[in-house]
Order: sequence, then C-alpha cells, then structure tokens
Amino acid sequence: GNSVTQMEGPVTLSEEAFLTINCTYTATGYPSLFWYVQYPGEGLQLLLKATKADDKGSNKGFEATYRKETTSFHLEKGSVQVSDSAVYFCALQGVDDAGGTSYGKLTFGQGTILTVHP
Amino acid sequence: GAGVSQTPSNKVTEKGKYVELRCDPISGHTALYWYRQSLGQGPEFLIYFQGTGAADDSGLPNDRFFAVRPEGSVSTLKIQRTERGDSAVYLCASSLFSGLPDTQYFGPGTRLTVL
Repeated sequence: GNSVTQMEGPVTLSEEAFLTINCTYTATGYPSLFWYVQYPGEGLQLLLKATKADDKGSNKGFEATYRKETTSFHLEKGSVQVSDSAVYFCALQGVDDAGGTSYGKLTFGQGTILTVHP
Repeated sequence: GAGVSQTPSNKVTEKGKYVELRCDPISGHTALYWYRQSLGQGPEFLIYFQGTGAADDSGLPNDRFFAVRPEGSVSTLKIQRTERGDSAVYLCASSLFSGLPDTQYFGPGTRLTVL
C-alpha cells in the first residue's frame, strides 16, 4: 500500500544552520505531496505542497521539490530560526493502493522533531 | 474566522466504556476527516465525509468505531467498549470540498486515555 518514510529524528540545529528533512514515498500512481507542521501546543497546519512532478512548493523560507524519479519530497530551509522548532510531517494524497484516484485521505510519515537552539 | 474545534480536549475513560468525540468544522467546509495519532507517530486516517455521507471509512480499525455527520456540519466519532489500545490523540480536519489538491485544516485534537 501507499506509504511515506521520513528521516529518523530528532534533528537538533543551531540558529541559521541549513536544514534538510528527507521524505520518500511509495505509491502506485502520481500522488500530491505535502509537508505539514505542528508547532508546540498547536494543531497541524499545511506548510507547503506540490501536485505534480518537478513542482516546487515553498512557504516561510521552506522549499520542497517533487522528484518522481527518486520518489522524494525533501524539505529544506537555508537558515533556520528558533521559531521553526516543531514536528514536521510529510504526507501524500490522491491515490489509493491500486493506483486509482482517491480523494481526501492523507497518508502521513511518522514525523520529524526539529529543535533549533539560539 | 474560527478554525476547526474539537471537544473535549481531553477525555479519560475506563476500559469497556463508551465515548463520543465531537468535531466542529470550519463553516462552509463540506469535507470532514478523522485521524488518529499515537505517540511518536504520524496521523492515521480513519474516515472522511463528503456532506452527510461517509465517502471513505476504510481506516476505521473495527466495528467498535463509528462516526456520523447527520446535518453535514458537526461530526461525532463514537467508540464502543473502549480498549487501552484506543488511547491516542484523535484529530479532525475539514476542507472546502473533497478534490485535489485540497488543503485540510486540522483541529487541536482530543486526547483520549483509556485506563
């Protein structure tokens, strides 16, 4: 079935460091890909998304490129801030286990905890 | 405007009891989703509604779990004969319509603890 795998965490960085959180997926077909973020004490919120191969999603200085050839959607930021400390989830949507269209359901990775120190 | 709200925020119950968890979606959102998040894991899909009907309930783990959305707005997730393994955070999300790519807006969750 469809699945999302994220790099093992937690990730600890100093402020202004470069961030990469790896995400790869397994799906039959061509899903839409998302990064969601959960700040301490808050609900999940969409960070960025990409709907087709080679699309780049970006928001708040974060970027991720949909790479069909490597089935990846790695999250990057050039200079992290303390306020970026959160849990980051990669997710896919749009295909069922047989490769047909499946609206609605999001399949999430296990999450990566990011802590940024001053 | 108001986001997705969930009540209660915390629920502690004893094994074998019945619980109801409520979700109030964003006004005007026709699609509503339930997920379950265990500690250290990503959210796991349970069920989603388009309007009043369940469009996909493939994630419900067994027949102890049931959800309704009788008027196409508020939804209730019902769990019968609760088990300790049901302890998790139950998340609700809503979206404007069920289509791709459709942003889902999440509520803060209900933390269920089964003793």
